[in-house]
Amino acid sequence: DVKVTQSSRYLVKRTGEKVFLECVQDMDHENMFWYRQDPGLGLRLIYFSYDVKMKEKGDIPEGYSVSREKKERFSLILESASTNQTSMYLCASRMSGQKGEQYFGPGTRLTVT
Amino acid sequence: AQTVTQSQPEMSVQEAETVTLSCTYDTSESNYYLFWYKQPPSRQMILVIRQEAYKQQNATENRFSVNFQKAAKSFSLKISDSQLGDTAMYFCAFKLTQGGSEKLVFGKGTKLTVNP
Repeated sequence: DVKVTQSSRYLVKRTGEKVFLECVQDMDHENMFWYRQDPGLGLRLIYFSYDVKMKEKGDIPEGYSVSREKKERFSLILESASTNQTSMYLCASRMSGQKGEQYFGPGTRLTVT
Repeated sequence: AQTVTQSQPEMSVQEAETVTLSCTYDTSESNYYLFWYKQPPSRQMILVIRQEAYKQQNATENRFSVNFQKAAKSFSLKISDSQLGDTAMYFCAFKLTQGGSEKLVFGKGTKLTVNP
């Protein structure tokens, strides 16, 4: 079974802090994704990566950056956390050439105070 | 614009009954994939069912089936013999290919509650 893990289930940070959210997958997938999930808005894509050191902006990249130094790990970085970044963050991965199915991590609920 | 619309923010159904969740999408592509994902309360999102647009036959997975109407761009999910464990957020998604990369576009979700 594909396993996607995220470093924390719950995280509380202060405004202005630099925040790292880590995601690791164990199935050698090329593609990895970061979403944020907010009530009534569904899932919105922040960034994705289709290979090591490669990244592309999603629909809402402002205020975020990412890092993919190793194939199995995809990090989301909030350079200076703000209260409007309080949300649930979901990581996903997918093998290239598959029929689009993405495998999701359990999510990190981030609260910025 | 490539969009996915779920018109029912919330639905409820009695245990053992059948419920249908609606989804419409907009795309100019001719070959694509559609998905229904399920997110139980405080649990991981998992794939429920997948439909390939070039296949006319509707996909089925045990109690879950879809009604795929390509011309109408409609992709509804039918859950038969609903169980308490079906209580979850359900997201319809469409695979978008853009500039050589692929990503999923999600609807806003339907919260389904199965009542005993």
